[in-house]
Amino acid sequence: AQSVSQHNHHVILSEAASLELGCNYSYGGTVNLFWYVQYPGQHLQLLLKYFSGDPLVKGIKGFEAEFIKSKFSFNLRKPSVQWSDTAEYFCAVKGQAGTALIFGKGTTLSVSS
Amino acid sequence: DGGITQSPKYLFRKEGQNVTLSCEQNLNHDAMYWYRQDPGQGLRLIYYSQIVNDFQKGDIAEGYSVSREKKESFPLTVTSAQKNPTAFYLCASRGARSDNEQFFGPGTRLTVL
Repeated sequence: AQSVSQHNHHVILSEAASLELGCNYSYGGTVNLFWYVQYPGQHLQLLLKYFSGDPLVKGIKGFEAEFIKSKFSFNLRKPSVQWSDTAEYFCAVKGQAGTALIFGKGTTLSVSS
Repeated sequence: DGGITQSPKYLFRKEGQNVTLSCEQNLNHDAMYWYRQDPGQGLRLIYYSQIVNDFQKGDIAEGYSVSREKKESFPLTVTSAQKNPTAFYLCASRGARSDNEQFFGPGTRLTVL
């Protein structure tokens, strides 16, 4: 069965620090990959997605992610975090069955000003 | 305003009672999904529907039921058979294009007393 693993449960950073959140998936075929973010009290929203083409994907609010097929990874990065990036971040892969997504357990990011 | 609405925002239920959570979308999306979010568990798929009058079980369908009589609506019933129903429930929908992402509603927090 497909699965998604997020390495960090809780990350604490100071403003202006660089961020990298790890995500690995298990599936050998063609993958569609996503990062979603859930700000406190808000809807889950899409940060970025990878379907094909350039493995370096840029998303909203300065986030980017790199798809490395050989490592089954799709790590999320941001060069300089802000206090407003405090949120929960979810990596997801489109499942083999239908169009549903399989989510990782999430990483809580806390940024101190 | 296009989007997904879920009601109610908070729901309390006594043990042994069935309860139905509403999900409506006006995005003209064919596919709709129900996820359950628990702390530290990420999102887990309960049911999904790719078209009206058709739906499929997800990973944790036991104790839940759904219907899809209209394209806009995908209600979820949490039955008394669900052993641990207290959770945050998220509804999502997705357009037909293969590179479309899922859009999420604001969620319903169900508490069983």
